[in-house]
Amino acid sequence: GQQLNQSPQSMFIQEGEDVSMNCTSSSIFNTWLWYKQDPGEGPVLLIALYKAGELTSNGRLTAQFGITRKDSFLNISASIPSDVGIYFCAGRLNTGNQFYFGTGTSLTVIP
Amino acid sequence: SAVISQKPSRDICQRGTSLTIQCQVDSQVTMMFWYRQQPGQSLTLIATANQGSEATYESGFVIDKFPISRPNLTFSTLTVSNMSPEDSSIYLCSVEFRPRETQYFGPGTRLLVL
Repeated sequence: GQQLNQSPQSMFIQEGEDVSMNCTSSSIFNTWLWYKQDPGEGPVLLIALYKAGELTSNGRLTAQFGITRKDSFLNISASIPSDVGIYFCAGRLNTGNQFYFGTGTSLTVIP
Repeated sequence: SAVISQKPSRDICQRGTSLTIQCQVDSQVTMMFWYRQQPGQSLTLIATANQGSEATYESGFVIDKFPISRPNLTFSTLTVSNMSPEDSSIYLCSVEFRPRETQYFGPGTRLLVL
């Protein structure tokens, strides 16, 4: 199956700092989704991207659909303690229904 | 979006037994999926639950081990059969609305097999 590599694998940051993470693939994707998963919960959809170059914001979160269509980026500005969790990207190819999930980025925010 | 519920939320089962997980959505959805998330890992698609027909399984997953039903557009079940400790995972139901391609997840079922 498709492999989506997320980096960094984990991040430890001070409250108030900005965060950047990315997701890369060897294949071209049509759709990118970003999720946050808290311990003991299901993933919650943060942002959906449908077009190369698209930049979409959701509060302090901004995500971009890479121009090559092989990558996507998520930024969190002015982090707060409740941003703690695991962030997953997911991408869908031009064919098929499956979303392939990234390896995840674990975020810890130090107050 | 949608409100998705799963039952049970967690269970501890004995080796060799089977468990059926239910997924209920508060509105009719085009597509429903079942995922597995092993401890500390990412999500892996088990199958697409098709309404009125057999589910479509991904490589490495078979119907005998993970039978799926989807009798209507708001409900699906996943059975984990003849369980072993390797089946200990979180099982997640997701739904997708078309034409906008977004997937929403249920809260998950945490399964521990002893």
